[in-house]
Amino acid sequence: GAVVSQHPSWVICKSGTSVKIECRSLDFQATTMFWYRQFPKQSLMLMATSNEGSKATYEQGVEKDKFLINHASLTLSTLTVTSAHPEDSSFYICSASTGTSDTGELFFGEGSRLTVL
Amino acid sequence: GQNIDQPTEMTATEGAIVQINCTYQTSGFNGLFWYQQHAGEAPTFLSYNVLDGLEEKGRFSSFLSRSKGYSYLLLKELQMKDSASYLCAVMDSNYQLIWGAGTKLIIKP
Repeated sequence: GAVVSQHPSWVICKSGTSVKIECRSLDFQATTMFWYRQFPKQSLMLMATSNEGSKATYEQGVEKDKFLINHASLTLSTLTVTSAHPEDSSFYICSASTGTSDTGELFFGEGSRLTVL
Repeated sequence: GQNIDQPTEMTATEGAIVQINCTYQTSGFNGLFWYQQHAGEAPTFLSYNVLDGLEEKGRFSSFLSRSKGYSYLLLKELQMKDSASYLCAVMDSNYQLIWGAGTKLIIKP
């Protein structure tokens, strides 16, 4: 099946620094990718929809200046957490759809666990 | 508002059968998904239902009743590795996925 790779898997940073997370579709082109965050024992929360070549669409309550999303190519989307604070510590997951499956199946990256000290 | 309900936690015995229910109220319906998520990992796709009825895939089956806004995931011959969270998600009329909070399944020997 389609493979989505996410990097880094784990990142620890100091408060005030910025962290970039990459999401790559390895064997297919993804015109749309999705970014989620997940707190412990909670479900996925959609943060934004990333569209190749255009601005991301953010969900209500998600600060677009805080969580910068760039979808520079059909196989790469990046999420940058700017001026990270401890409350930004979370599990960040990306997903992508091939757009060709009748099931509309999403393929998820491995996730990136961010810890802000 | 849009709402997905599923039990928070269930416990079952290795080798047994368990049914995880999901009820939903969404603006429109374009399919229901079940995902499995092990602790600390990303979800993996299990099943997709868009028509009423039962879809069987090995030890896992998923059922949908659109008129009742109801689905269940059936796991047979439970194995210890099936211990995970099971997420129910519905695609609404805008093709947005609405996620349930997940059901943590605990398998005991």
